[in-house]
Amino acid sequence: EAQVTQNPRYLITVTGKKLTVTCSQNMNHEYMSWYRQDPGLGLRQIYYSMNVEVTDKGDVPEGYKVSRKEKRNFPLILESPSPNQTSLYFCASSSADTQYFGPGTRLTVL
Amino acid sequence: DAKTTQPPSMDCAEGRAANLPCNHSTISGNEYVYWYRQIHSQGPQYIIHGLKNNETNEMASLIITEDRKSSTLILPHATLRDTAVYYCIALLYNRKLIWGLGTSLAVNP
Repeated sequence: EAQVTQNPRYLITVTGKKLTVTCSQNMNHEYMSWYRQDPGLGLRQIYYSMNVEVTDKGDVPEGYKVSRKEKRNFPLILESPSPNQTSLYFCASSSADTQYFGPGTRLTVL
Repeated sequence: DAKTTQPPSMDCAEGRAANLPCNHSTISGNEYVYWYRQIHSQGPQYIIHGLKNNETNEMASLIITEDRKSSTLILPHATLRDTAVYYCIALLYNRKLIWGLGTSLAVNP
């Protein structure tokens, strides 16, 4: 089954404690991206990757890092999380004309 | 990318057609109209997209006006499981989606 998986699905952490949210897709897509969703603001793109070793900033990249060492994986890294990064995060993987989204990771930073 | 405008909420009776409007008056000739939906806080789900011709798939139909300044997503026989937030997005064929706040559709029994 074609899918995008994210882990963990839920995470509560404290300010400053580094964390990584993993994202994996099994569709051999080159394009992947990360979004955050906040009430009243909709989905906003954090980072995207056009292919292995090619990443670029989206609209709200501050406080985040990504890497793309292999095609299927696109982890999101928060080196020093802060409370304003409390949000619902989605990873997406794209074919030529459709984006497929993961189930989401709900992150709370205390 | 063109900005889209949607009503914040709509209601529909179960079994009836749900017609969700979207205005995209600044859309350019090479920008597609995409529709996604999000059920509760799940990952958004692709529904349909089109450029200038009307499109239909197993989920819905997309009607785009001749001047391409607006479109309508039609769910022909809405069910309770179609209750969701529906997003209309206009974008270049470059896979970046710029999301608005969408239309919250409530399908009532």
